[in-house]
Amino acid sequence: QVQLKESGPGLVQPSQTLSLTCTVSGFSLTSNSVHWVRQPPGKGLEWVGAIWSGGSTDYNSALKSRLSISRDTSKSQVFLKMNSLQTEDTAIYFCTSGWDFDYWGQGVMVTVSS
Amino acid sequence: DIQMTQSPASLSASPEEIVTITCQASQDIGNWLAWYQQKPGKSPQLLIYSATSLADGIPSRFSGSRSGTQYSLKISRLQVEDTGIYYCLQRYSNPPTFGGGTKLELK
Repeated sequence: QVQLKESGPGLVQPSQTLSLTCTVSGFSLTSNSVHWVRQPPGKGLEWVGAIWSGGSTDYNSALKSRLSISRDTSKSQVFLKMNSLQTEDTAIYFCTSGWDFDYWGQGVMVTVSS
Repeated sequence: DIQMTQSPASLSASPEEIVTITCQASQDIGNWLAWYQQKPGKSPQLLIYSATSLADGIPSRFSGSRSGTQYSLKISRLQVEDTGIYYCLQRYSNPPTFGGGTKLELK
């Protein structure tokens, strides 16, 4: 069955770079897109960006200058890198797939704090 | 970007009641609208896709409808397990945009 699992550091210092990994199973990254969505504590959902089945990417325009999404298809992994982190980047980060965001990982909480 | 205005922000209802949550799109999005339920500490779960289609395993008391650029999620015969936060999402154009959420509590 389709599964996604996020991993990464729980705590990042301000101005540093966040690196997250989404490991997927049950489908191929060359046939399906993977999106990142984040949720600040007590707030709503925000689309962060995506990597499409062909390898192209799209980013939230507000984050574009700090964001990079890539993948390793042989390992079924998608990577998110965001630099110059600020406290407002504190959030749960989810990876999701399926055209209607059918499948979600459990999320990883990232806290930006010194 | 397409704006999705969701209402109400919160509501409280009794078991067996009918509740309706709406999302107003800032422009035509066709049927590219999905609804999700999120429970505390969990990831969102797809309820409805293509505005009116029920996702696999979702009880039939959930239904979606569309009138122009207004989309509605109806929950008939509300159950205790339906508490949570509900979100709409448009996938008509990039970037995908979510509604602000509706917190549903049971009396």
